Amino acid sequence: DAKTTQPNSMESNEEEPVHLPCNHSTISGTDYIHWYRQLPSQGPEYVIHGLTSNVNNRMASLAIAEDRKSSTLILHRATLRDAAVYYCILLSDNNNDMRFGAGTRLTVKP
Amino acid sequence: ETGVTQSPTHLIKTRGQQVTLRCSSQSGHNTVSWYQQALGQGPQFIFQYYREEENGRGNFPPRFSGLQFPNYSSELNVNALELDDSALYLCASSLVGPDTGELFFGEGSRLTVL
Repeated sequence: DAKTTQPNSMESNEEEPVHLPCNHSTISGTDYIHWYRQLPSQGPEYVIHGLTSNVNNRMASLAIAEDRKSSTLILHRATLRDAAVYYCILLSDNNNDMRFGAGTRLTVKP
Repeated sequence: ETGVTQSPTHLIKTRGQQVTLRCSSQSGHNTVSWYQQALGQGPQFIFQYYREEENGRGNFPPRFSGLQFPNYSSELNVNALELDDSALYLCASSLVGPDTGELFFGEGSRLTVL
């Protein structure tokens, strides 16, 4: 299985942008890049996903490197409610089991 | 709120007992996945059910088993409970295919094995 590498933790100040990196050097051509986050005492929630092109939605942006070996989740203005563990996951089109790593714990300071 | 509900929210069992956890999927979703999340770790994939058939399994022993019903709700059964089975068990519903993008998770059932 293609694996991802993320920093264990990151800190941000409230209302500043946050860039959460993910390395996936063994990604295959059919792997989609998914991001989920898990707030305290809740199940994970979907944030965004993409294949090759950068993606934007109401929650975040996903920037994918041209060689697809890394990606960055961008929160444009961090709020205290964005404090969570963020997971970067690869999912191929012939495999429906989503395998989570340890993720990045984001702390947002007021 | 995702529309995925799990029951019970908390339960305590002793070693050797059996447990059944239940999950009600989001309306219209035909796929259910189960995950185990130990304290401080990411969720670990147990298995997935698609249209009442197992459609993939993680590295869990056969004493972890499941069912999916015609209405797409699901059960996770664990036999011969061990102390290490203490964890948060998460259910997620989805439509088949990675480009559908989104797994909808419930809030989990927290199992404590004494």
